Amino acid sequence: GNSVTQMEGPVTLSEEAFLTINCTYTATGYPSLFWYVQYPGEGLQLLLKATKADDKGSNKGFEATYRKETTSFHLEKGSVQVSDSAVYFCALSDQGNQGGKLIFGQGTELSVKP
Amino acid sequence: NAGVMQNPRHLVRRRGQEARLRCSPMKGHSHVYWYRQLPEEGLKFMVYLQKENIIDESGMPKERFSAEFPKEGPSILRIQQVVRGDSAAYFCASSPVGEWELFFGEGSRLTVL
Repeated sequence: GNSVTQMEGPVTLSEEAFLTINCTYTATGYPSLFWYVQYPGEGLQLLLKATKADDKGSNKGFEATYRKETTSFHLEKGSVQVSDSAVYFCALSDQGNQGGKLIFGQGTELSVKP
Repeated sequence: NAGVMQNPRHLVRRRGQEARLRCSPMKGHSHVYWYRQLPEEGLKFMVYLQKENIIDESGMPKERFSAEFPKEGPSILRIQQVVRGDSAAYFCASSPVGEWELFFGEGSRLTVL
């Protein structure tokens, strides 16, 4: 079945450092890909998305490019801030016979130190 | 436009009791999803519902768990005879027809003593 694998955390960075969180997927067909962010004690919020190969999603300085050849959707940010500390989830759309849903990776915790 | 509303935010139950978690989707959204987040784990899909209809319950445990989304009122996730392993955060999400983007509530955190 479809699945998502993320790099393990926690990831600890200093403010203004470059961020990469790796995400690879296994899927049949052509899923849409998403990054969600979860701040402490809150629900998930959509960060960015891409719906087809070579699309780049971007928001709040974060970017990710849908790479079909490497089945990847890595999250990047050029200069992180303390306020970016959160858990980041990669997800893909799973369209089955019983309708659609999102399948999430295990999440990667990011901690940014001043 | 109010977001996805979940209640209660925190629920404490003793082993063997029942837990009922409620979710009101965003206005105009007809699809509801329930996910479970265990400590140190990701989000696991449980069930996908439309009004009066369960579309996909492939992630629901076979016993003790049930979900509904009636014509009127919120979606309910019901856990009977809770055990300590049911302690988790339960998230509800909704989406409009034909859209993949899910909008999440703030979750209901169940603690089983």
